[in-house]
Amino acid sequence: QVQLVESGGALVKPGESLRLSCAASGFTFSDYYMSWVRQAPGKGLNWISYISSSGSSVYYADSVKGRFTVSRDNAKNSLYLQMNNLRAEDTALYYCVKTLTSGIPDYWGQGTLVSVSS
Amino acid sequence: QSALTQPASVSGSPGQSITISCTGTSSDVGSYNLVSWYQQHPGKAPKLMIYEGTERPSGVSNRFSGSKSANTASLTISGLQAEDEADYYCCSYAGSGAWVFGGGTELTLL
Repeated sequence: QVQLVESGGALVKPGESLRLSCAASGFTFSDYYMSWVRQAPGKGLNWISYISSSGSSVYYADSVKGRFTVSRDNAKNSLYLQMNNLRAEDTALYYCVKTLTSGIPDYWGQGTLVSVSS
Repeated sequence: QSALTQPASVSGSPGQSITISCTGTSSDVGSYNLVSWYQQHPGKAPKLMIYEGTERPSGVSNRFSGSKSANTASLTISGLQAEDEADYYCCSYAGSGAWVFGGGTELTLL
């Protein structure tokens, strides 16, 4: 069965960096686009990034463009999110999400918590 | 990349039907047949309930159905059951690789 396990969340100070990882199993990782979606405490879902199956195409929400970088290692069945210059408003639970072939977010991991506070 | 508009809350009695709307624009919901709906229980990850506007993933009850008209998508839940009480989110492709979610709707059973 599909399994997505995020890691790397932590409490950091504004301006610091963090790298999230997502280990995928139970499907052919290299065949699917993947997304990162976040959810601030008590708030709704926000799409932040989308990467093609090969990793050659990447897309970002305006709120993170220029600060966050998504990448993947298909040999390791892993997805990454490098987050630089973190802000208080980046505080959220970050979900790794497998997509359908249409790109629609499909299966979600359990999330990893990022807290940005001085 | 403005969020899609959903009612903050809806309620219904067991056995009844409810509909949650999701209003976007001609740049997202109105342009693509890539609307999806998610159910999220407290402390849990979202679960895909409807994709491509009207399709149900394997294992999702046929009490859940989706539709779309112009810039508005809708999720209907018929025969409400206690376990349907949750938050529901819509999502649409918005072009140029971007996706947008609705603000979420809290479903309460009376």
